[in-house]
Amino acid sequence: AQKVTQAQTEISVVEKEDVTLDCVYETRDTTYYLFWYKQPPSGELVFLIRRNSFDEQNEISGRYSWNFQKSTSSFNFTITASQVVDSAVYFCALSEAHDTDKLIFGTGTRLQVFP
Amino acid sequence: DAGVIQSPRHEVTEMGQEVTLRCKPISGHNSLFWYRQTMMRGLELLIYFNNNVPIDDSGMPEDRFSAKMPNASFSTLKIQPSEPRDSAVYFCASTRTTGNSNQPQHFGDGTRLSIL
Repeated sequence: AQKVTQAQTEISVVEKEDVTLDCVYETRDTTYYLFWYKQPPSGELVFLIRRNSFDEQNEISGRYSWNFQKSTSSFNFTITASQVVDSAVYFCALSEAHDTDKLIFGTGTRLQVFP
Repeated sequence: DAGVIQSPRHEVTEMGQEVTLRCKPISGHNSLFWYRQTMMRGLELLIYFNNNVPIDDSGMPEDRFSAKMPNASFSTLKIQPSEPRDSAVYFCASTRTTGNSNQPQHFGDGTRLSIL
């Protein structure tokens, strides 16, 4: 069965520290898609990135980077030089090719960045 | 471009009352999703539509919940009668679904529902 695990419930760091949010997924499909969403204190859900299972290249966007490793079924998210504005709940999600419309969300990791 | 628009942003009502949540998807998107977020259960998919047709409503908790999509630019989620355990944040999301391409879902700001 498909599943997304975010084992870290809550992480606290001090500004300028680097932080990595873990995401492990389970799927039987060979084609699937992985996502990260951010939910700041204001409550909205903001799309950050999508990755398909055939593209294992790591991605960097400013201070954000993503490490996709099929061998360990992981899609980890690193924030470099964290800032207070990064404080949010971050969700990892999976959709499978046979039912691409359905997103399976992890339980989220709450990141608190202190000044 | 306007994002997904949900109304109301907040709703407080007494149990037993009918509640209607509204959603306008992003123009050009043909799939629409309703989610519920609670502390206990996280984000749950309630129902989704493709080209205005309900595809999967297996997440709808019970018959008190119903959803409609009368046209491509409007959907409603109705709870009748409402109960305190329905208190949650309800999100609407939309995306453009084409064949096997999987585009990201874009979420509205949510409706925070409190049933007293």
